[in-house]
Amino acid sequence: GAVVSQHPSWVICKSGTSVKIECRSLDFQATTMFWYRQFPKQSLMLMATSNEGSKATYEQGVEKDKFLINHASLTLSTLTVTSAHPEDSSFYICSATPPYAIEWNQPQHFGDGTRLSIL
Amino acid sequence: GQQLNQSPQSMFIQEGEDVSMNCTSSSIFNTWLWYKQDPGEGPVLLIALYKAGELTSNGRLTAQFGITRKDSFLNISASIPSDVGIYFCAGPRNFGNEKLTFGTGTRLTIIP
Repeated sequence: GAVVSQHPSWVICKSGTSVKIECRSLDFQATTMFWYRQFPKQSLMLMATSNEGSKATYEQGVEKDKFLINHASLTLSTLTVTSAHPEDSSFYICSATPPYAIEWNQPQHFGDGTRLSIL
Repeated sequence: GQQLNQSPQSMFIQEGEDVSMNCTSSSIFNTWLWYKQDPGEGPVLLIALYKAGELTSNGRLTAQFGITRKDSFLNISASIPSDVGIYFCAGPRNFGNEKLTFGTGTRLTIIP
């Protein structure tokens, strides 16, 4: 079945560092990918919609200059957390939908997430 | 905006017991999704519901799409240790496959 892969699965870095997280669709092309953030013991909250070949759209309250999204190909979207601070520590999860799934109104497939810890 | 409230927030049960949880919304949804999340992993789809009143099973799991389209229920029969995790309901904000709103989650723990 369709698989979405994230890398890295876990990253620890110093405050002020920029961190890039990759989301790949392994066996399908995705014109749209979604980025979610999940704080401990909380639900998933949508951050932004990544659109291949165009700018990402951000949810209200999410700083686009802080969370840079690039969807340069049909199988890769990247989320860069710029000048990360401890409050950015969270679990970041991406999702994508195979084209056939869109046609049949099938739900998104989620990656395994990236745990970001900023010291 | 849309909110999905799940009840109960957490459950502590013994292996073999049946589990029931629900999800309610302040607005109508045309699709209801149930996901399970294990620690440190992304959510995995369990059941998708597309019609009001629909009752769908996936092994020991059964979910129903409420007639009012503002709620959904998930039941797990004869729980086993691997059922431990957090269960989320979710729904697309608009018809189709787009942005999902997730529920508050129900954490299931099995007592030895």
